[in-house]
Amino acid sequence: EPEVTQTPSHQVTQMGQEVILRCVPISNHLYFYWYRQILGQKVEFLVSFYNNEISEKSEIFDDQFSVERPDGSNFTLKIRSTKLEDSAMYFCASSEIRWVGDTGELFFGEGSRLTVL
Amino acid sequence: AQKITQTQPGMFVQEKEAVTLDCTYDTSDQSYGLFWYKQPSSGEMIFLIYQGSYDEQNATEGRYSLNFQKARKSANLVISASQLGDSAMYFCAMREGNTGKLIFGQGTTLQVKP
Repeated sequence: EPEVTQTPSHQVTQMGQEVILRCVPISNHLYFYWYRQILGQKVEFLVSFYNNEISEKSEIFDDQFSVERPDGSNFTLKIRSTKLEDSAMYFCASSEIRWVGDTGELFFGEGSRLTVL
Repeated sequence: AQKITQTQPGMFVQEKEAVTLDCTYDTSDQSYGLFWYKQPSSGEMIFLIYQGSYDEQNATEGRYSLNFQKARKSANLVISASQLGDSAMYFCAMREGNTGKLIFGQGTTLQVKP
């Protein structure tokens, strides 16, 4: 079964450092997403990406965050200067079509746990 | 604004019994979709079941069924014949608009007792 893969599975970083989380979406998928889950809390939408540009972003996704699809297969989330409150599990997701659910599933990766010290 | 509410922080169920996890939602959209995901202690998000707002029948997937009551804006997950492996966090989510942007509830931790 096709799957979304994420690396690293766990990263520990010092506050103020830059972090890049990588995702390889399913090959024929066109819509890409990042979600965040602070430990013990609900999953929150960060950003959606289609056709090499951001479709939508939440208020969490401020200037410290950026996304890109550098080579047609990877989809990355960069946090420029990490803060303690960025510690969370970050999930990448992808879908083949825009209309998720009715005719297409949203596939999640296994997550990247970021710990900021 | 859309909102998902899961009022049960934690639930216990005896193995082999059925359990219902509650979910209510609020939206002004006519077309929407509702999802349930399972998150085991390992952390991954596992898709369980989907219900579209125009679907007339309740969705079912194996031991999972979704009790969709549109007028009451509820989308409860029913797990029949609980297994020890069902112990996990369960999230209800709603699709916002026509995209993969999902709004999640706070989750319910289910523990299955042997």
